[in-house]
Amino acid sequence: GAVVSQHPSWVICKSGTSVKIECRSLDFQATTMFWYRQFPKQSLMLMATSNEGSKATYEQGVEKDKFLINHASLTLSTLTVTSAHPEDSSFYICSASGGRAYNEQFFGPGTRLTVL
Amino acid sequence: AQKVTQAQTEISVVEKEDVTLDCVYETRDTTYYLFWYKQPPSGELVFLIRRNSFDEQNEISGRYSWNFQKSTSSFNFTITASQVVDSAVYFCALSAPGNNNDMRFGAGTRLTVKP
Repeated sequence: GAVVSQHPSWVICKSGTSVKIECRSLDFQATTMFWYRQFPKQSLMLMATSNEGSKATYEQGVEKDKFLINHASLTLSTLTVTSAHPEDSSFYICSASGGRAYNEQFFGPGTRLTVL
Repeated sequence: AQKVTQAQTEISVVEKEDVTLDCVYETRDTTYYLFWYKQPPSGELVFLIRRNSFDEQNEISGRYSWNFQKSTSSFNFTITASQVVDSAVYFCALSAPGNNNDMRFGAGTRLTVKP
């Protein structure tokens, strides 16, 4: 299967700072990338969908100015949590589809964010 | 709208027991895909199976089997002779090309297999 990586795997930051999470498709061109958030003992909730070269589409209730998504290339999407607060602490997972994986999503290993 | 329901929040079994995890879905799309994922404590999702809406054939893979029934909109997952290593949270999910392949997850079922 296709491989998707995320970096960093975990991050701890102070309240008020911004954190950037990278999602890369390693062996295929990802025309679409998805960002999910998972709070402890809960399911994955889709935050936004981004198509390469265009603005991301955010799910209802997700603040686009707080969660900045950039999908500038076919292999890289970034999620920036701006002015992070403790309630943003969560597990963030990206997935990618495209190319030979056009109708399937391949998931990254996730990034655990802790905001102090 | 798409929706996935996993009514079982937690299941606990003793090793070697068989266990079935239920999944019921809702969609208006005629073409869709159903998935099962395993999420161990590490958090990384482990892909188990993908089934398209036109293929109702049941599948068996080792100790795992899946029963897809469109008539009841269900896609149940059975683990035979469970093992301690099967302990994890299992998610059922649904996606549809007509919905930008957005994937909707069920709430998950936490399976604990005791020795």
